[in-house]
Amino acid sequence: DSGVTQTPKHLITATGQRVTLRCSPRSGDLSVYWYQQSLDQGLQFLIQYYNGEERAKGNILERFSAQQFPDLHSELNLSSLELGDSALYFCASSVEDRAMDIQYFGAGTRLSVL
Amino acid sequence: AQKITQTQPGMFVQEKEAVTLDCTYDTSDPSYGLFWYKQPSSGEMIFLIYQGSYDQQNATEGRYSLNFQKARKSANLVISASQLGDSAMYFCAMREGRVFGNEKLTFGTGTRLTIIP
Repeated sequence: DSGVTQTPKHLITATGQRVTLRCSPRSGDLSVYWYQQSLDQGLQFLIQYYNGEERAKGNILERFSAQQFPDLHSELNLSSLELGDSALYFCASSVEDRAMDIQYFGAGTRLSVL
Repeated sequence: AQKITQTQPGMFVQEKEAVTLDCTYDTSDPSYGLFWYKQPSSGEMIFLIYQGSYDQQNATEGRYSLNFQKARKSANLVISASQLGDSAMYFCAMREGRVFGNEKLTFGTGTRLTIIP
């Protein structure tokens, strides 16, 4: 158990809908990262938050947004969902945001858009 | 250009043998971290081992060791005495350290390891 909690584990929804994925980082970790894993794109970095503030953005669509709350949990919001958004979404956390900091991953949320 | 290259899409290894999974990387940043993760069929990503660019010695964690050759920009994962439970997808990843806002992990395409009894 990595200590990173993601809910829900599975999500099935329809095109055009909006969903929220939730992540609780390991106790004491300040950085939260979101990654998307799909068959065609592999593992892609979406966005990072550090202590409540956005730190880095990757290949995140405009339909997607995220935030980190004062208790350091994070949410990833996906709206106007398309079939191609079906993927495994991971949250990871690390103590700080240095190159040597290990990112521990949650078990992922598997999103299926029908 | 690919920052992380894993050239072995799949490998089959006999149980109890050692296995080496290849990883080469590309960066001009002198400060970086290299990571290996395991993804079993259940889907979770499990951290295995870390090597820092300034580390003088190769990292080891139990049956896992990282063969770090800085000049060749390679960071191969060695698993000794393989077990059936080692069957999984293995990802090499890098994080560059000096550029602000570049804290993400960049992953390779992975190697699917199958251990044969």
